[in-house]
Amino acid sequence: KNEVEQSPQNLTAQEGEFITINCSYSVGISALHWLQQHPGGGIVSLFMLSSGKKKHGRLIATINIQEKHSSLHITASHPRDSAVYICAGTSGGGADGLTFGKGTHLIIQP
Amino acid sequence: ETGVTQTPRHLVMGMTNKKSLKCEQHLGHNAMYWYKQSAKKPLELMFVYSLEERVENNSVPSRFSPECPNSSHLFLHLHTLQPEDSALYLCASSQLDPYNEQFFGPGTRLTVL
Repeated sequence: KNEVEQSPQNLTAQEGEFITINCSYSVGISALHWLQQHPGGGIVSLFMLSSGKKKHGRLIATINIQEKHSSLHITASHPRDSAVYICAGTSGGGADGLTFGKGTHLIIQP
Repeated sequence: ETGVTQTPRHLVMGMTNKKSLKCEQHLGHNAMYWYKQSAKKPLELMFVYSLEERVENNSVPSRFSPECPNSSHLFLHLHTLQPEDSALYLCASSQLDPYNEQFFGPGTRLTVL
């Protein structure tokens, strides 16, 4: 059974701080998705990683396949980054449903 | 309309009611998914449809019945639900190729009385 462990569950930081959210996953998962969920429930896909590193604006995602670990970083955090960040794993087999972590509730204070 | 839409956005139903949730994607994708998000629990996969065929049923009770009449539409038929089925139900779609991004709808907030 695929499993995804995410930490921390809750994170409060001051505006401008560098944020890191971590995700570990089990054998059988070959790619990681990072998702953002705002109050009200809508989910936006931020990254999909099977190797290496991706960057979009102030967001950076990395994955270490050997260690089965991925991180999401936010540079120069801003209150509008406040949301729940979720990592989700997939085995990559075509139409493959996601296995989700519990999410990290991030609050950035002005 | 663009992206993935879901209707209704909110639904309140009694345990004896029958209702349906609708999902429509305008992205030309060929795989669609139903996910459930209960309070204080991680998102969990319910069903996967690939090219309109169900390829995964993740141990979901039979009171939830999915239907995928074509590649753009996905339904979740609900009957004799329990209060613990109250949750946010999310639809998503993707291309079939491995490692493709999934695009989520806004969800239907379901309350079962």
